[in-house]
Amino acid sequence: NAGVTQTPKFQVLKTGQSMTLQCAQDMNHNSMYWYRQDPGMGLRLIYYSASEGTTDKGEVPNGYNVSRLNKREFSLRLESAAPSQTSVYFCASRGARGLEETQYFGPGTRLLVL
Amino acid sequence: GENVEQHPSTLSVQEGDSAVIKCTYSDSASNYFPWYKQELGKRPQLIIDIRSNVGEKKDQRIAVTLNKTAKHFSLHITETQPEDSAVYFCAAILGGGSYIPTFGRGTSLIVHP
Repeated sequence: NAGVTQTPKFQVLKTGQSMTLQCAQDMNHNSMYWYRQDPGMGLRLIYYSASEGTTDKGEVPNGYNVSRLNKREFSLRLESAAPSQTSVYFCASRGARGLEETQYFGPGTRLLVL
Repeated sequence: GENVEQHPSTLSVQEGDSAVIKCTYSDSASNYFPWYKQELGKRPQLIIDIRSNVGEKKDQRIAVTLNKTAKHFSLHITETQPEDSAVYFCAAILGGGSYIPTFGRGTSLIVHP
């Protein structure tokens, strides 16, 4: 049981390049999320998917697109990277923990846009 | 939408001291409040949570208190140890089933040996 996995771990892009961040979970969770984390800003929601086939914008969706490929996978795409998108990106899924539900985070992708 | 304020942004304590991190939220419809710990270079991990129908919850050296009237909740760590050094995030989640957390900006806790 790997939990939530993300690829790649690190990436350097030039301004204008595109890339896709991959996320997968093996916990059979319905809901998945993409966050970005910048120093002093906490975790900000980019997009989320409440279930397979649905996606919704979060707080900071501009410059990003997502695809919920199936129940396991939720990818984040940067079509034309900008230096402002330099950040650490976390994927998460939501599932049961005892009587509550909580988010389980992936290890993160560190992205540098030059 | 919900807004969560977290203070302080940095907290430095001596080993063995207590540490308190405070968060306030704006939407009285929020009913679930998790706390996450993030060690340097690692992913956030849930350490404790509280529902709005409970005033306090404790798990060994950590506890969380909630004041619904004032719309604030706090994380208390007693007998701090160097391995408690990390960034701590609070979050508030609105009731209604959508489960979209609003996070505070984080508190960097440094425990000096």
